[in-house]
Amino acid sequence: QAVLTQPSSLSASPGASASLTCTLRSGINVGSYMIFWYQQKPGSPPQYLLTYKSDSDKQQGSGVPSRFSGSKDASANAGILLISGLQSEDEADYYCMIWHSSAWVFGGGTKLTVL
Amino acid sequence: EVQLVESGGDLVQPGGSLRLSCAASGFSFSGYEMNWVRQAPGKRLEWVSYISNSGANKYYADSVMGRFTVSRDNAKNSLSLQMNSLRAEDTAVYYCAREGPLGGGNVFDIWGQGTMVTVSS
Repeated sequence: QAVLTQPSSLSASPGASASLTCTLRSGINVGSYMIFWYQQKPGSPPQYLLTYKSDSDKQQGSGVPSRFSGSKDASANAGILLISGLQSEDEADYYCMIWHSSAWVFGGGTKLTVL
Repeated sequence: EVQLVESGGDLVQPGGSLRLSCAASGFSFSGYEMNWVRQAPGKRLEWVSYISNSGANKYYADSVMGRFTVSRDNAKNSLSLQMNSLRAEDTAVYYCAREGPLGGGNVFDIWGQGTMVTVSS
């Protein structure tokens, strides 16, 4: 079982909200981890979006709009990237990442389609 | 301008070797931890290797352990990845990424444009 699992794809309409999940493997407690989120558009390297550990321990990337936010669902053992007021330029791949067992680990990525 | 520029990507036969370089500019290179991240065509991001700012500490993904070696030359603002015993599954775009402090953690805040490595006979 992968350390981080993300749905492969998600579709949403312009102006709507999208909730992208990053589920940690059983036995790895999401509460203990900082979750990092990156956005990647075709042909470009990833860009850092934000970090979320708790409401009192979170960071937003420079220039990243406030409509991008992070949270956690402890019951699902998952980190969440919430994008509100979806715009066409939000169409991209989104990756979560954690530092686990002396290694950086990426999720499989979610392809967000805005249509 | 803060910038990372990778080079050295090429077509190489299985079992061969290749050395990638990453030239840093616009920031104090010796003050930052660095990483290599790769992405096979159409696939997910995969972290490859980490090196501390002094070069004393290094970590590798299980998939490259024992075959790849990361190093840095702070005097030359340069990061390298020596790749030996290459396999078809190493085919990917290789990115170098700066690990910068933000809040209570480090983030990959600067990425290069990547260099393509193709392992094929």
